[in-house]
Amino acid sequence: DAGVIQSPRHEVTEMGQEVTLRCKPISGHDYLFWYRQTMMRGLELLIYFNNNVPIDDSGMPEDRFSAKMPNASFSTLKIQPSEPRDSAVYFCASSSPYNEQFFGPGTRLTVL
Amino acid sequence: AQSVTQLGSHVSVSEGALVLLRCNYSSSVPPYLFWYVQYPNQGLQLLLKYTTGATLVKGINGFEAEFKKSETSFHLTKPSAHMSDAAEYFCAVSDPTDGGSNYKLTFGKGTLLTVNP
Repeated sequence: DAGVIQSPRHEVTEMGQEVTLRCKPISGHDYLFWYRQTMMRGLELLIYFNNNVPIDDSGMPEDRFSAKMPNASFSTLKIQPSEPRDSAVYFCASSSPYNEQFFGPGTRLTVL
Repeated sequence: AQSVTQLGSHVSVSEGALVLLRCNYSSSVPPYLFWYVQYPNQGLQLLLKYTTGATLVKGINGFEAEFKKSETSFHLTKPSAHMSDAAEYFCAVSDPTDGGSNYKLTFGKGTLLTVNP
């Protein structure tokens, strides 16, 4: 199994631009999680899906952030417009019910 | 609400020495507890987890942790550190009664472990 796949691995953009991060979960996993990791705030859960349906988006920082899961094998996290304070590493993870979360390698986002 | 406190953002040990990484949690219900490891420029990997049953849990790479309810702790140990153990370690807690996913995790801030030759 290839594990959780995230793209791009690195993204550098300018303030005000739209950023789209992508995730392909492990096949057969029903749960998908998006996390953000920063030095100041550590690892934070942004949103998670169950069977492609968003269950809890209470961690999404503001309306500039949106996430979708159009099918079981693909999810996106979009930031529009991006700001320098959005610079972080964004992780996607997936799991099957009652089992551990498997993390992707992350996308390092830098907003200039 | 749940929370996790990892005492010591940075721990340094000599190769062959005992590794002890501390984790205390706060939870209104009996929690599930986890330790994850993150190597540079990689995602997190599960080391071990406690859900129910035996309170001493053994994980990969020779690590183990003991759930102590009276102390609300879940400290991670390894008898003899190896250079390859150098990484960042995260303790996490989840609420098994959460109606969504009983693996919705709240993470501590992490402890960076360095191993000196």
